[in-house]
Amino acid sequence: DAGITQSPRHKVTETGTPVTLRCHQTENHRYMYWYRQDPGHGLRLIHYSYGVKDTDKGEVSDGYSVSRSKTEDFLLTLESATSSQTSVYFCAISAGTGRAQGYNEQFFGPGTRLTVL
Amino acid sequence: LAKTTQPISMDSYEGQEVNITCSHNNIATNDYITWYQQFPSQGPRFIIQGYKTKVTNEVASLFIPADRKSSTLSLPRVSLSDTAVYYCLVGPGPEQRRRANAGKSTFGDGTTLTVKP
Repeated sequence: DAGITQSPRHKVTETGTPVTLRCHQTENHRYMYWYRQDPGHGLRLIHYSYGVKDTDKGEVSDGYSVSRSKTEDFLLTLESATSSQTSVYFCAISAGTGRAQGYNEQFFGPGTRLTVL
Repeated sequence: LAKTTQPISMDSYEGQEVNITCSHNNIATNDYITWYQQFPSQGPRFIIQGYKTKVTNEVASLFIPADRKSSTLSLPRVSLSDTAVYYCLVGPGPEQRRRANAGKSTFGDGTTLTVKP
């Protein structure tokens, strides 16, 4: 399995509090992604990164920010959590064009279950 | 972004071949089709990727017709352990080297496959 860890694995917080989720990889892959998955739905891209300090927005980026100061770490921050951000958050990594399958061969972490009360 | 449509659910029995179809009518010329498998409480796992015609690996085959507006994931002789959600993903292929292409792939809502004894 690809070396991807997410922390925390579970978190319960209250509306209005800031929350930071961490993704850590040991594969030295260039690309990192944050997705959210809601019950009965697929994954929706929040933000992604194509290198240190290089990030871009996905389809559901409102209310989220990210940072990547090191290749191995990608942080997702909810500045002021809302109940609509209750979800399971997955981090993924990809070697991009460095592998035959390109960007679309993504390796996923175990997920973080976030509950905002 | 190419939108994908899949059946919400499918049932099958052990030992049967299962075909799951994904529609992607507005697929771009440079887009590839990728399929993922997701078990409960886990992140998705890459199964197979293709551009056109047929691709086969040790776990599945992927059939893509000439117009590329749909694709079919074929799982031979399924077992109970193949019960999972299967996602179709369409996005730029490995030769598309613009970094922003890393965020242009979209997951559908997935097909829940239930394999019965």
